Amino acid sequence: EPEVTQTPSHQVTQMGQEVILRCVPISNHLYFYWYRQILGQKVEFLVSFYNNEISEKSEIFDDQFSVERPDGSNFTLKIRSTKLEDSAMYFCASTRDRETQYFGPGTRLLVL
Amino acid sequence: GQNIDQPTEMTATEGAIVQINCTYQTSGFNGLFWYQQHAGEAPTFLSYNVLDGLEEKGRFSSFLSRSKGYSYLLLKELQMKDSASYLCAPQNNTDKLIFGTGTRLQVFP
Repeated sequence: EPEVTQTPSHQVTQMGQEVILRCVPISNHLYFYWYRQILGQKVEFLVSFYNNEISEKSEIFDDQFSVERPDGSNFTLKIRSTKLEDSAMYFCASTRDRETQYFGPGTRLLVL
Repeated sequence: GQNIDQPTEMTATEGAIVQINCTYQTSGFNGLFWYQQHAGEAPTFLSYNVLDGLEEKGRFSSFLSRSKGYSYLLLKELQMKDSASYLCAPQNNTDKLIFGTGTRLQVFP
């Protein structure tokens, strides 16, 4: 069964550094999302992406965040200058038809 | 505004039935999802309701009342592996999922 994959599974970085989180959505899916979950808290929407454009973004998704689909398979989330409060699990999700969103296993980001 | 309300924790016994309730208020509504999340893992899809009524899928069923802003997830013949968090997630009309804090279910032998 096709799956969403994410790399790396864990990332440790210093405050102020840039990180790129990578996702490979399910191959025939057209809509892509990033969510994050701070430890012990709820899953929060960051951004949705369709047809090479951001469809919607949350208040969390400020200028330090960007997304890109650099080729036909990858979908990336870049955090430009990481802050301590960016430490969280970041989930990528995809859907073919704007209904069921399938989540990747997540990247656990720790900012020191 | 947006608000999702579900119990924080529930316990049940192996083989029993448990019902997890969720009430929600969202600006715009497409449908409602239930996801299961084991600690440290990603949410996995359980069910999706668009219309009012009951959707059954093996041991899991989900019910929706759009007019009441209410849903429940029913788990039958509980197994130990069902110990997890269950996330109620309404989808707004721009298709983003709005998650509640989830209900942590512990199944005891």
